[in-house]
Order: sequence, then structure tokens, then C-alpha cells
Amino acid sequence: GQQVMQIPQYQHVQEGEDFTTYCNSSTTLSNIQWYKQRPGGHPVFLIQLVKSGEVKKQKRLTFQFGEAKKNSSLHITATQTTDVGTYFCAGSSRGGGADGLTFGKGTHLIIQP
Amino acid sequence: GAVVSQHPSRVICKSGTSVKIECRSLDFQATTMFWYRQFPKKSLMLMATSNEGSKATYEQGVEKDKFLINHASLTLSTLTVTSAHPEDSSFYICSARDQTGSGGRTITDTQYFGPGTRLTVL
Repeated sequence: GQQVMQIPQYQHVQEGEDFTTYCNSSTTLSNIQWYKQRPGGHPVFLIQLVKSGEVKKQKRLTFQFGEAKKNSSLHITATQTTDVGTYFCAGSSRGGGADGLTFGKGTHLIIQP
Repeated sequence: GAVVSQHPSRVICKSGTSVKIECRSLDFQATTMFWYRQFPKKSLMLMATSNEGSKATYEQGVEKDKFLINHASLTLSTLTVTSAHPEDSSFYICSARDQTGSGGRTITDTQYFGPGTRLTVL
């Protein structure tokens, strides 16, 4: 079945440093979604990427979808303490929300003030 | 944005009892809802796809007789953990599919997650 791998599992950064998490799928994806989960909370939708090579920005967050639609990355510039949490990528082989998502294991972002 | 609620948020039960968890889409209709479970500090694992008016589709390894899913209306899906055991203790999260469109075209199609239900089986 479809597998989504995400690295690193944990990332410690100093506040103000940049952070990147990477996601790779064993199969070509129709779309990839990114979620953020705060400790004790539930996953909150951040963004969905659909097009090959797509790049989207949300303030300090930059999301990329690979040309082959098998990998993706999330980059945070100048991290802040509010960025703490676990970032999950989730892939789907069908369009939009039609399929249950296959989640990566997540990257736990820990920020030291 | 779209809101999905879950009830209860926490439940503690004795081994052998059944527990029902409700998932509601509050401001949109969802023909499709999904149920996930998440172990501590682990990722979400899809359990089943719940379709309004039809039987749920279960992922490989998920016992359909153990985890009963009912999607009786466009805004409500329920997950019943039958004869719960301590190994069923987990965080159960639902998501609901929200589609918007115009003139026959789909504009957005995404999932919104509920706040989750923490089940502890003693």
C-alpha cells in the first residue's frame, strides 16, 4: 500500500532559526496536505498542494510539491515559539478529500528560546 | 472555516463495555467522513471511511465488528468500540470531507478534523 515517509522525526532549533521537514511518498500522489498538531490538540489543516512543482507560501511557511508529485517539503523561516508542534504531511492518491489520508510519522518541532 | 465536533472528548470505561463516539460537521454537509486513531506521539492511522447511507469501508487490519461505524445523516457519523479492551485505548479522531463548488465545478475539496476523543479502557 501507499507509504509516506517523513524526516526528521524530531528537530530542535533555536528561536529565530529556520526549520524544514521533508516528505516522500512511495507512489505518485494526487495531492499532498500539511497539518500542524499542537501538543494535546488535533491536526489542523495548513495547506493542500495539487500541481507538480507547486510552491505556496503562508507568511513564514513555504510549501513545495515535487515535480514528480512524490515528495514535498515545509520550510519555516525564523521560527517562533508559536511554531512548536508536530507537522504532518498526508498524501492522497485521489483528488481532494475523497480518500482517507496516509499520514507521515510527523516531525516534532522543538524550539529553544 | 468548516467546523467538526466530536463527543465525548474524553471517556474512561471498563474492559468489556462499548463506547460510542460521535462526529458532527457543524456548518457543512459531509457525505464522507473518516475515522483515524492516534497512539501517543505517533502518527494518525486511517481506520475506515464512512459514507452516508452506505456501509463503511475499513482499512486492512481493522476489525469491522469491533469498530462499528454508522453514518446516518449528512452531518453525523458514529464510531462504536465494542467490547473494549485496554489495547483499544487511544486517541480517536474523525475528519469530514467538505466540498464546495460552482456551476458543476469543484472549487475546494478538503478534510477538516474534529478535536478527537481520548479513550481509556481500564
